[in-house]
Amino acid sequence: GQSLEQPSEVTAVEGAIVQINCTYQTSGFYGLSWYQQHDGGAPTFLSYNGLDGLEETGRFSSFLSRSDSYGYLLLQELQMKDSASYFCAALNQAGTALIFGKGTTLSVSS
Amino acid sequence: DVKVTQSSRYLVKRTGEKVFLECVQDMDHENMFWYRQDPGLGLRLIYFSYDVKMKEKGDIPEGYSVSREKKERFSLILESASTNQTSMYLCASSLYSGSYSNQPQHFGDGTRLSIL
Repeated sequence: GQSLEQPSEVTAVEGAIVQINCTYQTSGFYGLSWYQQHDGGAPTFLSYNGLDGLEETGRFSSFLSRSDSYGYLLLQELQMKDSASYFCAALNQAGTALIFGKGTTLSVSS
Repeated sequence: DVKVTQSSRYLVKRTGEKVFLECVQDMDHENMFWYRQDPGLGLRLIYFSYDVKMKEKGDIPEGYSVSREKKERFSLILESASTNQTSMYLCASSLYSGSYSNQPQHFGDGTRLSIL
């Protein structure tokens, strides 16, 4: 089966750097995606790692190590608006639909 | 921008009722998905569809069915609503580019369904 584990909560202050980890157990693996969801809003796509290494998109970066079955989302120069839930996701065994982790709630304080 | 529209933001129904949740996307996406989201459980896949009249079960299909008669519309049906189906329901769509591809999913704002 497929499972993705991530911490339930992370707290940080404005301007800091935070890392949200995701470990996965999958029968097949086709890359790791990250989504952001603000309270009451729709999840939105942030990034995707198909290969090992770091992908950078502005203040956000995502990393993947397939040998360790591990990835993380790195948020730099944190802002209050980054307070949200963050989900890692991977394709199911058939490669047809995303399976999501349970989500990490990030709280950024001033 | 892709727009995924869910017909209701909030819905209250009674146990035993047949409930229809509607989702429409405007970007000609082949793939459409229904998830439910519960605190501490994340997003769980109920059903998905990769083409008109095609459907596949997700992880928690029991008590639900779906209909896709037109490419842009994907309906979730609760055959006989029960209180344990009280949840936030999220619809999503994505472009199909082959199996094992990771096209981003675009989500609607969700329908918060309460079954009394």
